[in-house]
This record gives sequence, structure tokens and C-alpha cells, in this order.
Amino acid sequence: SQTIHQWPATLVQPVGSPLSLECTVEGTSNPNLYWYRQAAGRGLQLLFYSVGIGQISSEVPQNLSASRPQDRQFILSSKKLLLSDSGFYLCAWGLAGDEQYFGPGTRLTVT
Amino acid sequence: QKEVEQNSGPLSVPEGAIASLNCTYSDRVSQSFFWYRQYSGKSPELIMSIYSNGDKEDGRFTAQLNKASQYVSLLIRDSQPSDSATYLCAVNLRPGSARQLTFGSGTQLTVLP
Repeated sequence: SQTIHQWPATLVQPVGSPLSLECTVEGTSNPNLYWYRQAAGRGLQLLFYSVGIGQISSEVPQNLSASRPQDRQFILSSKKLLLSDSGFYLCAWGLAGDEQYFGPGTRLTVT
Repeated sequence: QKEVEQNSGPLSVPEGAIASLNCTYSDRVSQSFFWYRQYSGKSPELIMSIYSNGDKEDGRFTAQLNKASQYVSLLIRDSQPSDSATYLCAVNLRPGSARQLTFGSGTQLTVLP
């Protein structure tokens, strides 16, 4: 069966510091991968998606970036965090159907 | 108009009652519809998917789809306190290779013992 991992689970970072969040999927090949952010009390905002290694599409212009160095690895990065980057970051995977399955998430607080 | 709209709630029902959650979407070409359950502090969990007009039942959950009215709903029968969560409606508004979903803002459900 498929499993999706995210780490770290929680993170507290000062404004202006860099960020690296990692997501890996097990038990499947060539998945579509997604990064979402959920601000407190808000809906899910799609940040990036990827249909293959090195293929990244950005949905919202911002100071975040994403990379997919391996088939089942998806990384979310920032060079300098802003207060507004605080939120619950969710990685999701999907295959040929439209279903998406979420990882456990990383709760980021920028102070 | 929001692309995927849900009643924001909160919705409270007594234990054992039927909870009805509603969702409307903007684009008639949409083909795929999903309901996710999100417990407080946790990530969303897929609980139902529906692709054709009509009803789809899975245990205590029934998803209903009416493409002509651009409306999808989730019924929870015999509601339990463990059903208390936020329910997210998701729609693939632009069918294509990227399989992107647009999520509603969610309806918070509380089942009272």
C-alpha cells in the first residue's frame, strides 16, 4: 500500500530564515505530487504541483519554491521566510484518477 | 463567486441524526467530486468520491451528485460524536493531465452526544 511521509511535523522559524520541507511517497511510481498551504481557519491553497521529476508548476507567485529531485520526493523551500508564510503545509499525491491523498502535514510558525 | 462553495457552518446535529453537507461548484465541465474529512489539527482524509449523477453509498456515508444543478452533497446517517470534524468538498474544475482539485472552505460539523 502507499504511504506518504512529511517532515518535520512542526517547525518554528524566525522571519528571514530559510525553509526546507520534505515529502516522500512509498509504494507507487510516477505519482503527481502537490504542495498545499492551509492558513488558520482557512481553506486549502494549492502552491505547487508536479507531474514528473524536475517538472514543477506554480499556482501562486510568492517567496516559496519547490523541487522534485526524485520520482517520489517533493521539497518545498524558501530563502527568506515571511510572517505570512505561517500555516499548515500539506503534501499530497495522486495517480491517474483525480483522487489526492494527503500526508500528515507540517505546522510552520514564523516568529 | 467562489469556484467551490460550501455552507461555512458550523453545523450541529444530535447523535443518531442525519447530517447533510452541501457544496456547489462553478464549472459545468467538472467530472470528479470528492469529500474529505479533516479532524482538528490533522490532515484531510478522503472519504468519498463520486463521478456520475445520482447517489453513491459507503457505509453511513452517501454522496449525491447533480451535474445539471452543479451541486454535490454528503449525507451522514446515524451521526456519531466521532464524525465531528470539518468536511471539505473538492472538485476537479479543469479536467486535464495535472488532475488539480479546487477545495471549498469546509463545513464544520459537531455531533452532540
